[in-house]
Amino acid sequence: SQTIHQWPATLVQPVGSPLSLECTVEGTSNPNLYWYRQAAGRGLQLLFYSVGIGQISSEVPQNLSASRPQDRQFILSSKKLLLSDSGFYLCAWSVFSGGATDTQYFGPGTRLTVL
Amino acid sequence: AQTVTQSQPEMSVQEAETVTLSCTYDTSESDYYLFWYKQPPSRQMILVIRQEAYKQQNATENRFSVNFQKAAKSFSLKISDSQLGDAAMYFCAYYGGATNKLIFGTGTLLAVQP
Repeated sequence: SQTIHQWPATLVQPVGSPLSLECTVEGTSNPNLYWYRQAAGRGLQLLFYSVGIGQISSEVPQNLSASRPQDRQFILSSKKLLLSDSGFYLCAWSVFSGGATDTQYFGPGTRLTVL
Repeated sequence: AQTVTQSQPEMSVQEAETVTLSCTYDTSESDYYLFWYKQPPSRQMILVIRQEAYKQQNATENRFSVNFQKAAKSFSLKISDSQLGDAAMYFCAYYGGATNKLIFGTGTLLAVQP
């Protein structure tokens, strides 16, 4: 069965520090991968998605970036964190199947606090 | 552009009772997918149920069922025999081929009273 991991689970970082959040998927090949952010009490905002290694689409211009160095690994980064980067970050995966989308499945999330 | 609206920020239900969460959406597409996700206090998003727009039959998953009204662009979630573990934030979501993105509503916070 497929599983998705995210780490760290919780992170507290000072303003201006770098960021690296990691997401890995097991049990599937060539998944679509997604990064979402959820601010407190709000819905999900899609940040990036990837349909393959090295292929990244950005949805929201900001100081975050994403990379996909391996088929089942998706990394969210920042060179300098802002206070507004605080939130809950969720990674998700799906498998595109024959003209129809498949369901997105989410990881456990990372709670990021920028002080 | 596609939008998803959940007009009930909060709902409450007694344990063992039935509750219905509302969701409406706007789209010009004919082929799309609709989802309900549950986010408990742990904040992990858990898929509850999925509906393909081309299917007339309403999806069901145990105590969870939907009322899909394509013409009215309505997609409500019914939870029967509510349990304490059903307490969570529930998000309605839309996926269509035009944007290839999952679009979420703002969520409904469901409380279950013992």
